[in-house]
Amino acid sequence: DTEVTQTPKHLVMGMTNKKSLKCEQHMGHRAMYWYKQKAKKPPELMFVYSYEKLSINESVPSRFSPECPNSSLLNLHLHALQPEDSALYLCASSYWTLEGSPLHFGNGTRLTVT
Amino acid sequence: GQQVMQIPQYQHVQEGEDFTTYCNSSTTLSNIQWYKQRPGGHPVFLIQLVKSGEVKKQKRLTFQFGEAKKNSSLHITATQTTDVGTYFCAAHRGGNQFYFGTGTSLTVIP
Repeated sequence: DTEVTQTPKHLVMGMTNKKSLKCEQHMGHRAMYWYKQKAKKPPELMFVYSYEKLSINESVPSRFSPECPNSSLLNLHLHALQPEDSALYLCASSYWTLEGSPLHFGNGTRLTVT
Repeated sequence: GQQVMQIPQYQHVQEGEDFTTYCNSSTTLSNIQWYKQRPGGHPVFLIQLVKSGEVKKQKRLTFQFGEAKKNSSLHITATQTTDVGTYFCAAHRGGNQFYFGTGTSLTVIP
């Protein structure tokens, strides 16, 4: 199992809906990440938060809006998504170090956009 | 983004045979990590390699980092059915940016 909790596990939404994905960790990690993974593909980095500040945005469309309310929580707000945005969305956390440290992933939210 | 290629893309082995996956980067890496993702699961961290030429072992798994820090390999000796999954390398490009390789999907035939 994992110490990074993601909700919901599954989400089906229409293209006009607004929804949010949530991620929580209590390991004291100060770096948190959103990755997107399509079937049979590697996880693709979307956003990185370091000490609750957005440090990396990998040119993600504005219909994805991340938020880090505190050091334990990470949200991903979704609006006006397209069917091609259907994927597994993985949250991860790690200690913030210059040399990098292991990523701890949640179980993911499987998103279907209809 | 960073180009990190893994070969082979798929590998089927008989239980008990050895398995190797290779990870190649177009640029020099500060370090590299390896993850395993079981079918339907999430990536799970296996190991991090930092030094040029580093070799680390975990039971039947042997990890190597190339001398030029542009490539890495994972070798599994005497595969078991529990080794089934996709193995990803993840290249660290400074700060907290990790870019996953294309992955190698391992099937073990009992």
